Amino acid sequence: KQEVTQIPAALSVPEGENLVLNCSFTDSAIYNLQWFRQDPGKGLTSLLLIQSSQREQTSGRLNASLDKSSGRSTLYIAASQPGDSATYLCAVSGNTPLVFGKGTRLSVIA
Amino acid sequence: DAGITQSPRYKITETGRQVTLMCHQTWSHSYMFWYRQDLGHGLRLIYYSAAADITDKGEVPDGYVVSRSKTENFPLTLESATRSQTSVYFCASSNTGDADTQYFGPGTRLTVL
Repeated sequence: KQEVTQIPAALSVPEGENLVLNCSFTDSAIYNLQWFRQDPGKGLTSLLLIQSSQREQTSGRLNASLDKSSGRSTLYIAASQPGDSATYLCAVSGNTPLVFGKGTRLSVIA
Repeated sequence: DAGITQSPRYKITETGRQVTLMCHQTWSHSYMFWYRQDLGHGLRLIYYSAAADITDKGEVPDGYVVSRSKTENFPLTLESATRSQTSVYFCASSNTGDADTQYFGPGTRLTVL
């Protein structure tokens, strides 16, 4: 059974800092990995999708990498801003539909 | 409005009552999903549908019923609500299933007393 773990569960950083969020998964037979953002009381918004054949994807200040063989992904956020404060979730798809991690709650302090 | 909508946004009901949560999407996406989100458990898949009249169980289907007579609608019914079904429910859709980005609705916060 696929399990997805995100560490740390919560993170607080000062504005302007570069930061890395981590995601690990137990079964490397995945189709893709997705990173989502969730604001309090809201639904999820897709940030980046990395296909299993890809190593990374970039969107603006966000860069996600995937190392399928080691079962790891990282989300790099450059020059963090208070507006980046949210919960970030990763999810993997494979032989079963999307399996989510429990998320990392990020606070960027002005 | 284009997108994916859920109704109601908030619902309070009593144990044993039947409750239906509605989900509507305007993209004509083939796939639709229902998740519940609980503290300590994260997001868990309840049911999903690959097309009209095709549904399949997810990780936590017990106590729930779904139907999909039209591509754009995917209602979730709690036949006899229990307190353990108190949760936030999210509907999502995607064009080609897990190979594609999923788009989420705003959620329904359900409280079962």
